[in-house]
Amino acid sequence: AQTVTQSQPEMSVQEAETVTLSCTYDTSESDYYLFWYKQPPSRQMILVIRQEAYKQQNATENRFSVNFQKAAKSFSLKISDSQLGDAAMYFCATLLNDMRFGAGTRLTVKP
Amino acid sequence: GAVVSQHPSWVICKSGTSVKIECRSLDFQATTMFWYRQFPKQSLMLMATSNEGSKATYEQGVEKDKFLINHASLTLSTLTVTSAHPEDSSFYICSARDVSNYGYTFGSGTRLTVV
Repeated sequence: AQTVTQSQPEMSVQEAETVTLSCTYDTSESDYYLFWYKQPPSRQMILVIRQEAYKQQNATENRFSVNFQKAAKSFSLKISDSQLGDAAMYFCATLLNDMRFGAGTRLTVKP
Repeated sequence: GAVVSQHPSWVICKSGTSVKIECRSLDFQATTMFWYRQFPKQSLMLMATSNEGSKATYEQGVEKDKFLINHASLTLSTLTVTSAHPEDSSFYICSARDVSNYGYTFGSGTRLTVV
């Protein structure tokens, strides 16, 4: 079974600062994928970043990067130089045969 | 990029009636599509996995007779909420897996309100 835990229901960051969102997961598989999705008020799911579990190198996408610790089953998202448009719900997800989501973290960006 | 069209974006129906939601991959083939349900301020909960040409696989606790899923082609899956009740009011989202690269793309969701 896949379980995903996001322990931070809400986070806040000052514009231009850096924030880290936490995610832990549990799976008995060795080959899987991990994702962070952003869901703005429109509720459209937007892919932020993706990590293959077999890759040791942490994925990065511009201002977004992850800290993937496979042994600890941890997959945190770092947002650098936060912008007002980053405000949204962020969901961590695991993918084996299907995609499962954590409870989400609501990120607020203060001007 | 890959696009998934979900229709309608919102629907209001009377209690006891049925509602059909379509999920269509526009520029790729999807042998597998997934249906999620999201209550306000909550996460996406997987309802069922839909495979082209075969029966859907439902998650525990999801009534298969109430939520009918059909995946008759490589580009279209439908979710029919039968005999809808107010407690079925929710946000329903589909996603499709591209057979060529295993990428996942989400539809824009359907807000269902049963009155």
